[in-house]
Amino acid sequence: DQQVKQNSPSLSVQEGRISILNCDYTNSMFDYFLWYKKYPAEGPTFLISISSIKDKNEDGRFTVFLNKSAKHLSLHIVPSQPGDSAVYFCAAKGGYSGGGADGLTFGKGTHLIIQP
Amino acid sequence: DVKVTQSSRYLVKRTGEKVFLECVQDMDHENMFWYRQDPGLGLRLIYFSYDVKMKEKGDIPEGYSVSREKKERFSLILESASTNQTSMYLCASSQTGTYNEQFFGPGTRLTVL
Repeated sequence: DQQVKQNSPSLSVQEGRISILNCDYTNSMFDYFLWYKKYPAEGPTFLISISSIKDKNEDGRFTVFLNKSAKHLSLHIVPSQPGDSAVYFCAAKGGYSGGGADGLTFGKGTHLIIQP
Repeated sequence: DVKVTQSSRYLVKRTGEKVFLECVQDMDHENMFWYRQDPGLGLRLIYFSYDVKMKEKGDIPEGYSVSREKKERFSLILESASTNQTSMYLCASSQTGTYNEQFFGPGTRLTVL
């Protein structure tokens, strides 16, 4: 049973436009959500996070929105730049579904491609 | 800056060999994790540890074991490598607490022939 879902395996966006990556979850015990960015042949790097008591968190070009009632979060990147081309993983914490209390449950990732 | 290092970036082994993957973190983190990443499957947790000498199974522990003799070091062992263990292996560490992210190493691309 997949508790964190990223339904778009890939997304293509023109440079300068907004990229919106979506993530849905099923476990209402999740209380902290994170986005990671991964380039090929490198480890994931932490991008931005949001606590379940907030509905928005912003860091420069990156904004994460959380809709708890819909169990949905999204990552907005604006404006999109060529260096943003990578795989983005959504992750959730607090569900005790694996990795103990500090474990993360990951989605399968969305490959973002920024076109010039 | 947190640093998580892994002993090899690329490794090629033969079926049946015993394989050791080493991970070291320098931030005194309590928790350490081993994942494998495969296309279309995301990151899957193999084993984790929340303290020295403690280990817990993750979602896909079969064919793997781990060792944590020191706080900073977490080793993944493939007792008898098989071709279906060809994958990218990622180590991560984190502090205990809700609002702490995991920090990942650069990964080891393991190929089993």
